[in-house]
Amino acid sequence: DAKTTQPNSMESNEEEPVHLPCNHSTISGTDYIHWYRQLPSQGPEYVIHGLTSNVNNRMASLAIAEDRKSSTLILHRATLRDAAVYYCILRDRGSSNTGKLIFGQGTTLQVKP
Amino acid sequence: DTEVTQTPKHLVMGMTNKKSLKCEQHMGHRAMYWYKQKAKKPPELMFVYSYEKLSINESVPSRFSPECPNSSLLNLHLHALQPEDSALYLCASSQALLEKLFFGSGTQLSVL
Repeated sequence: DAKTTQPNSMESNEEEPVHLPCNHSTISGTDYIHWYRQLPSQGPEYVIHGLTSNVNNRMASLAIAEDRKSSTLILHRATLRDAAVYYCILRDRGSSNTGKLIFGQGTTLQVKP
Repeated sequence: DTEVTQTPKHLVMGMTNKKSLKCEQHMGHRAMYWYKQKAKKPPELMFVYSYEKLSINESVPSRFSPECPNSSLLNLHLHALQPEDSALYLCASSQALLEKLFFGSGTQLSVL
């Protein structure tokens, strides 16, 4: 499985935008980029995913580099409830089709009031 | 209903006990998953079921035995566990393999 690299931790101020980077230099053509987050004492929750184009939803935006070797999750206005571990995950939708979702180490985001 | 419900929330068991963890979803999802998460670590995939058949076993020791009796239920039977098996056990479901996962809040297991 292709690997992702994320910073261990980041800090943000409340109500400011947050840009969470992810490097995936060995990404294959059939890998989708998924983001999940895990709030304290909860299971992970889906945030967003994309293949090549930038994506937006009610939770966040995903900006994908043109060469797809990196991506950035953007939280437009961080709130205290966004403090969580954010996981960037590559998921192969190619012929293997195994259904595996493999978590890396993730980035722990702290949001300061 | 977009919930995955796991019971019990907490479980303490001895190394000779037999216990079961339960997971239930009513979203019509046909893929279900078990993950194990140690403190301060990411979740680790254990098992994947697709249409009630075991699709993936990530070389999990046989003291963990999964069961999918129907499309809404997933069990994890535990027998002769070791203290190092103490962890948060997370269940998840998805519409199908490779669709987004919905996770429960987990069962915090302590093996004494």
